[in-house]
Amino acid sequence: ETGVTQSPTHLIKTRGQQVTLRCSSQSGHNTVSWYQQALGQGPQFIFQYYREEENGRGNFPPRFSGLQFPNYSSELNVNALELDDSALYLCASSLRTGGVYEQYFGPGTRLTVT
Amino acid sequence: KNEVEQSPQNLTAQEGEFITINCSYSVGISALHWLQQHPGGGIVSLFMLSSGKKKHGRLIATINIQEKHSSLHITASHPRDSAVYICAVPQGGSEKLVFGKGTKLTVNP
Repeated sequence: ETGVTQSPTHLIKTRGQQVTLRCSSQSGHNTVSWYQQALGQGPQFIFQYYREEENGRGNFPPRFSGLQFPNYSSELNVNALELDDSALYLCASSLRTGGVYEQYFGPGTRLTVT
Repeated sequence: KNEVEQSPQNLTAQEGEFITINCSYSVGISALHWLQQHPGGGIVSLFMLSSGKKKHGRLIATINIQEKHSSLHITASHPRDSAVYICAVPQGGSEKLVFGKGTKLTVNP
């Protein structure tokens, strides 16, 4: 158990709809990263939030957006869903204190777009 | 951008065998992560190492910073070790990770 939780576990949406995925970070962690893992592939970095501000973004379109709240929980929002958005979405929290640090992954949310 | 290569892609072993999974990366890093992913998706962090060797139970991870190479070893493998093992490195000195494609390990009884 990493202390990082995600909800929902599974989700089925229709193309064109919008979805919100949630992540609760490990206690005290102020940084959260979101990753997309397509079937058979390694995770791809979507973006990261540090103290409620976006702190870097991968090669994903603007319809992927996020929020981090004062309690360091986080949301990933995807608008105008496409079939290729079907994937496992992982969040990982870490404590940013400089130097080397470890990321703790949640169990993931599996999104299916039909 | 750091490129991460893992080998082999797939590995099948008999229970009790010694397992080695390799990871190479292209740009110097501060630390490398080894992760385990079981069917169903959840990722577990096994090791984070920046030099030398770490051991946890039957798992051993080594890294050679100069050669930009790391290995994950499993001694006395067991069917419950069957999973995908992924190595990941920071991108550009940040904490954003670049992942290998993973090595799918199957250990048969």
